[in-house]
Amino acid sequence: QVQLQESGPGLVKPSETLSLTCTVSGGSITSYYWSWIRRPPGKGLEWIGYIYYSGSTNSNPSLKSRVTISVDRSKNQFSLRLSSVTAADTAVYYCAREQRTIVGGRWLDPWGQGTLVTVSS
Amino acid sequence: QSVLTQPPSASGTPGQRVTISCSGGSSNVGSNAVNWFQQLPGTAPKLLIYSYNQRPSGVPDRFSGSKSGTSASLAISGLQSEDEAHYYCAAWDDSLNGWVFGGGTKLTVL
Repeated sequence: QVQLQESGPGLVKPSETLSLTCTVSGGSITSYYWSWIRRPPGKGLEWIGYIYYSGSTNSNPSLKSRVTISVDRSKNQFSLRLSSVTAADTAVYYCAREQRTIVGGRWLDPWGQGTLVTVSS
Repeated sequence: QSVLTQPPSASGTPGQRVTISCSGGSSNVGSNAVNWFQQLPGTAPKLLIYSYNQRPSGVPDRFSGSKSGTSASLAISGLQSEDEAHYYCAAWDDSLNGWVFGGGTKLTVL
C-alpha cells in the first residue's frame, strides 16, 4: 500500500528556511492532492498547504507568504519550504495524501510518520 | 486555538460506549464530511472515519461517526484497552479552501 516518509533537517536556525521532502512509495503521486500538516508542541494540528500532482497549490493564509510547496513527479516526491522561521514554527511536520470524490467527499489518508523540526540557534 | 472544538479528554471502562464531540461552523463541519483520526504515541494519525461514516478497510465497526448541523461525534462501542489514544477531527473548510482540525481528545481506558 501507499506509504509516505518525511525527510529533512531536524534543527533549523531562526530566520532561515525549513526544507522538508515527502517521498511517496507503493503508488504514484499522480492524480492526488498532497498536504503538509504540522503539530506544535502541546497544540493541535494545523494545515499548512497542499499541492496537486499537476503543480497547483494552496496554503493556509496564516503562513502563505512564507510557504512554498513543490512536486517532483519523476522522483515521486513533494516538498515544503517555510522561510523566515521562528521558534513558533517548531513542530512535528506530517505529509499526507488527500483523496477527493466527485460528490465532494475528501479525506486524508495515509499520513507519514512525522518529523520533528526544532527552530533554535 | 483550533478551529474545531473537541473536549481535551474523555474516559471509559472496557466494554463501555464513549463518544467524542467535534464542533465547528457552517463553512466546515456544516458543509463537509468530517474525518476522524486515531493517533498513538510516536505514530502517524490513522484515518478511522470519512465521508459520512465510512470506515477504511481494517477499522473495526466499533467505531462510528455521526453529524448534525455544525457538530459531529465519534462513537466507540465495546471499548478496549488498545483504544487508549488521541483522537482528532478534521473537515474541509470552504472559506479557507483548506483543512481545519480539532485540538484532539485524549481517551483514557480506565
